[in-house]
Amino acid sequence: DTAVSQTPKYLVTQMGNDKSIKCEQNLGHDTMYWYKQDSKKFLKIMFSYNNKELIINETVPNRFSPKSPDKAHLNLHINSLELGDSAVYFCASSQASGGNTQYFGPGTRLTVL
Amino acid sequence: QKEVEQDPGPLSVPEGAIVSLNCTYSNSAFQYFMWYRQYSRKGPELLMYTYSSGNKEDGRFTAQVDKSSKYISLFIRDSQPSDSATYLCAMSPSGTYKYIFGTGTRLKVLA
Repeated sequence: DTAVSQTPKYLVTQMGNDKSIKCEQNLGHDTMYWYKQDSKKFLKIMFSYNNKELIINETVPNRFSPKSPDKAHLNLHINSLELGDSAVYFCASSQASGGNTQYFGPGTRLTVL
Repeated sequence: QKEVEQDPGPLSVPEGAIVSLNCTYSNSAFQYFMWYRQYSRKGPELLMYTYSSGNKEDGRFTAQVDKSSKYISLFIRDSQPSDSATYLCAMSPSGTYKYIFGTGTRLKVLA
């Protein structure tokens, strides 16, 4: 059983397009996250939702908009894609707050041409 | 200065060696300390989790936290080629949802 799943796994698109990445967790966790991992493997938090409420919104361009329709889903929509958006995006989930183990999805590799 | 510093490597060791991976940090509010392993083109998976100072052992892995020095370590005994991966440290203050990751150390264990 997949704990945290993301779709699509790979996304190749042109600059200026709008795209979405979907994430689902079946662990019953309250908190979900989006991370961006750059080419140097640096993993940086972008957003965090707890019980469908946005609780962390790091310095991320407002072209990125997360949406949590329910506790088990957290989607990421990106408008007007730029070359610098190329990265691997990871979804994660945890039970409640800091110190609780985060479980990561397999990642979505986004390439903007 | 980054909140969490980690040598990116790569670190190459022969099979069977003891591996020592380290992170330093600057935020004294960090209470939870984690080590993740990430294989190429996969998501990070949790290896070790420690609260506050002390040691924790799990099989071939030992995690150490020295809060007075703001320094954490992961030791891998009897390293195997299957341990070849990137190892990420992560830290979190108590009661927050924010996890700060190191840049990861790439480890290669040679058969």
